[in-house]
Amino acid sequence: GAGVSQSPRYKVTKRGQDVALRCDPISGHVSLYWYRQALGQGPEFLTYFNYEAQQDKSGLPNDRFSAERPEGSISTLTIQRTEQRDSAMYRCASSHSVNTEAFFGQGTRLTVV
Amino acid sequence: QKEVEQDPGPLSVPEGAIVSLNCTYSNSAFQYFMWYRQYSRKGPELLMYTYSSGNKEDGRFTAQVDKSSKYISLFIRDSQPSDSATYLCAMTGSNFGNEKLTFGTGTRLTIIP
Repeated sequence: GAGVSQSPRYKVTKRGQDVALRCDPISGHVSLYWYRQALGQGPEFLTYFNYEAQQDKSGLPNDRFSAERPEGSISTLTIQRTEQRDSAMYRCASSHSVNTEAFFGQGTRLTVV
Repeated sequence: QKEVEQDPGPLSVPEGAIVSLNCTYSNSAFQYFMWYRQYSRKGPELLMYTYSSGNKEDGRFTAQVDKSSKYISLFIRDSQPSDSATYLCAMTGSNFGNEKLTFGTGTRLTIIP
């Protein structure tokens, strides 16, 4: 595709529900990153993949958060039993390979009510 | 204390002025230093990156890194209203593109026509 595509753009969910956020990276990009950006803050690293392998998940806040990229392309970030503090913009980025620029998607705005 | 500190602003300057944006950091392992521009309701886009200490110029933009002081700067010459955005500094260790980015909070810049 032309850029990194994320869906849905907006998600409102009730506290305690599970949500799944989708990222479709730029075609052919090997590396895929998930970040969370609170209002007025910079993006905060969550996890990243090279192909289908999750290389670093040190930024995931707790075990309610998980991510997968089973075929090395589309990735899903899942948040179980959502809490109000999970409300934020969730951004995905992809890069072609090592030492190349990461391109960000427009994000999914998650609101937990 | 955050690994990367950035004055959130907001910063307003008249059109044509020189803008100086800065970040400080504490992690000596950072080797790659980036500046991202983020327009409202958009994802961050990479402006420039610099490896280790030194200067890099690209058109009206100049990035400076002083690793001895753990201080980086972005200068914008002949500022234009289209430069109005949030500017985020970001840093990573030894493997640009294959490692998580640590972002500053972002400085919101407005260029007044």
